[in-house]
Amino acid sequence: AQKVTQAQTEISVVEKEDVTLDCVYETRDTTYYLFWYKQPPSGELVFLIRRNSFDEQNEISGRYSWNFQKSTSSFNFTITASQVVDSAVYFCALSGGYSGGGADGLTFGKGTHLIIQP
Amino acid sequence: KAGVTQTPRYLIKTRGQQVTLSCSPISGHRSVSWYQQTPGQGLQFLFEYFSETQRNKGNFPGRFSGRQFSNSRSEMNVSTLELGDSALYLCASSPGQELDTQYFGPGTRLTVL
Repeated sequence: AQKVTQAQTEISVVEKEDVTLDCVYETRDTTYYLFWYKQPPSGELVFLIRRNSFDEQNEISGRYSWNFQKSTSSFNFTITASQVVDSAVYFCALSGGYSGGGADGLTFGKGTHLIIQP
Repeated sequence: KAGVTQTPRYLIKTRGQQVTLSCSPISGHRSVSWYQQTPGQGLQFLFEYFSETQRNKGNFPGRFSGRQFSNSRSEMNVSTLELGDSALYLCASSPGQELDTQYFGPGTRLTVL
């Protein structure tokens, strides 16, 4: 069975600090995708990034960066120079292969509540 | 392109009633998935529909059902509501190919009294 662990339940930092959100996953699939979603108080899950299991290149998008390490089954997310607007719950998710011809659905971690204080 | 829309946004029901939630996917997307989010269990996969057929189902009782129409819009139904069904129900759409990114709607917050 697939599993995603986000050990940090809540993180609170002061604005402009850098912060890293940890994600560790378990899967038996050889082909899979990892995702990060942001959930602001409004409730909608906002897609941030997708990374496939064969691409271990780190990615940077503005203040956001992601570090994928297959050897440690981790897909960590770093926000540089955090801002109050970054406050939200962040979810790491895993998508496995198909079974029976259908999508298995995403397996989500429990989420990390990020609080950026002004 | 318009995003995923869900109606209604908020719903209050009493135990024993049934409820129907609606989801309109992003134009051109043929796959719709449903998730339940609760404080205790987190985000859990309910089921996924593609071309009017349920392709996969999560570990939920038969009280939870769904369907998809020819225009890819989807509905999910919960019968004989229980207090534990109170949750945010999120719908996600994707083009429908293997491992596509899923894009989520704003959710329907269901409260069962």
